[in-house]
Amino acid sequence: NAGVTQTPKFRVLKTGQSMTLLCAQDMNHEYMYWYRQDPGMGLRLIHYSVGEGTTAKGEVPDGYNVSRLKKQNFLLGLESAAPSQTSVYFCASSYGYEQYFGPGTRLTVT
Amino acid sequence: GQQLNQSPQSMFIQEGEDVSMNCTSSSIFNTWLWYKQDPGEGPVLLIALYKAGELTSNGRLTAQFGITRKDSFLNISASIPSDVGIYFCAGPPEGAQKLVFGQGTRLTINP
Repeated sequence: NAGVTQTPKFRVLKTGQSMTLLCAQDMNHEYMYWYRQDPGMGLRLIHYSVGEGTTAKGEVPDGYNVSRLKKQNFLLGLESAAPSQTSVYFCASSYGYEQYFGPGTRLTVT
Repeated sequence: GQQLNQSPQSMFIQEGEDVSMNCTSSSIFNTWLWYKQDPGEGPVLLIALYKAGELTSNGRLTAQFGITRKDSFLNISASIPSDVGIYFCAGPPEGAQKLVFGQGTRLTINP
């Protein structure tokens, strides 16, 4: 059991570039989440999904899009990266309230 | 939106000391979760609490669900170097399938 995996682990983008972060889970969880973590800000929810084919906005959704085409995968997209999106991004999945996190993706936008 | 307030924000202790931290909310939560995050890694679930007044242990860690449902407490006994990290409380707003997190308590241990 790999749990929750995220790719890539690190990425540097120039302002205006686009990219997709991939999250995969092998626990057959219905719910999946994307967070960003900034110094002193804790974890903030970007988007989440309550099942295959569904997505919903979280606390800080602007500038991001998501898709959940398969139950095990949850993709986070940045269409036009901005320096304010420099952060560490975490994916999580859950069956109920207990969420299990991936190792994170460190993104720098210059 | 709802916020969880953790106290203290940081702690500097000697190895072997006991640690206490808490988390408070302005509204009622029906579930409290405690996570630990090591540097460069994702948060790991330590303890889940589902009932007001519940006291649950996981090794040297003990967490309590406050009877008012607006707070929770985490204690670590006889701290060791690997306890270093950031501890987060979290809970689901009523009716929501998502969590709100506290801002974390950073624990540093002097050997």
